Amino acid sequence: GAGVSQSPSNKVTEKGKDVELRCDPISGHTALYWYRQSLGQGLEFLIYFQGNSAPDKSGLPSDRFSAERTGGSVSTLTIQRTQQEDSAVYLCASSSGTTSYEQYFGPGTRLTVT
Amino acid sequence: AQSVAQPEDQVNVAEGNPLTVKCTYSVSGNPYLFWYVQYPNRGLQFLLKYITGDNLVKGSYGFEAEFNKSQTSFHLKKPSALVSDSALYFCAVRPMDSSYKLIFGSGTRLLVRP
Repeated sequence: GAGVSQSPSNKVTEKGKDVELRCDPISGHTALYWYRQSLGQGLEFLIYFQGNSAPDKSGLPSDRFSAERTGGSVSTLTIQRTQQEDSAVYLCASSSGTTSYEQYFGPGTRLTVT
Repeated sequence: AQSVAQPEDQVNVAEGNPLTVKCTYSVSGNPYLFWYVQYPNRGLQFLLKYITGDNLVKGSYGFEAEFNKSQTSFHLKKPSALVSDSALYFCAVRPMDSSYKLIFGSGTRLLVRP
């Protein structure tokens, strides 16, 4: 079946602009995660959704970052007033949240802030 | 603080030789452990996991990993490396809290030479 999809695959934006990144999880997966992969810094957790609620937002680096999930499916990560340090690959993952422990990752969105 | 360490930035092996990619962790309780692989310009692919039971777990593409509780390690191994195994490998742990988030190591680049 279809895997996790993310759009856009690449995004170049000017400093100070807002961006929206989209994630479409595997159908039926109740849990959804956002991670950020920065050059030389590995992957860091941003936020976790179970259904439409976000019980863990502890990884969001600042109040410029927000995320929502509607209908228990698609999620949008929004970064307001982008800064150069926001440049990274943003990865989305999903899991069934019950008996499946592993997370399945999308291809990522490469964000470049100029 | 909970953390995962991959002490080698890069591992070089000759094709046909055995390979080991090291991972140690520092988390409370009995975590779930994972290995993921990342090929260039692609998302992370799940390789294998340890949840409970036999300390030696087998995964995709002939990889296996050995869980050692006393040494808090989860090293990735393969008896005979292939050039196509060359990629970036990430170890991850899921702490026993409610968020299900993964904590990743910094990654190890595996280079298999012909």
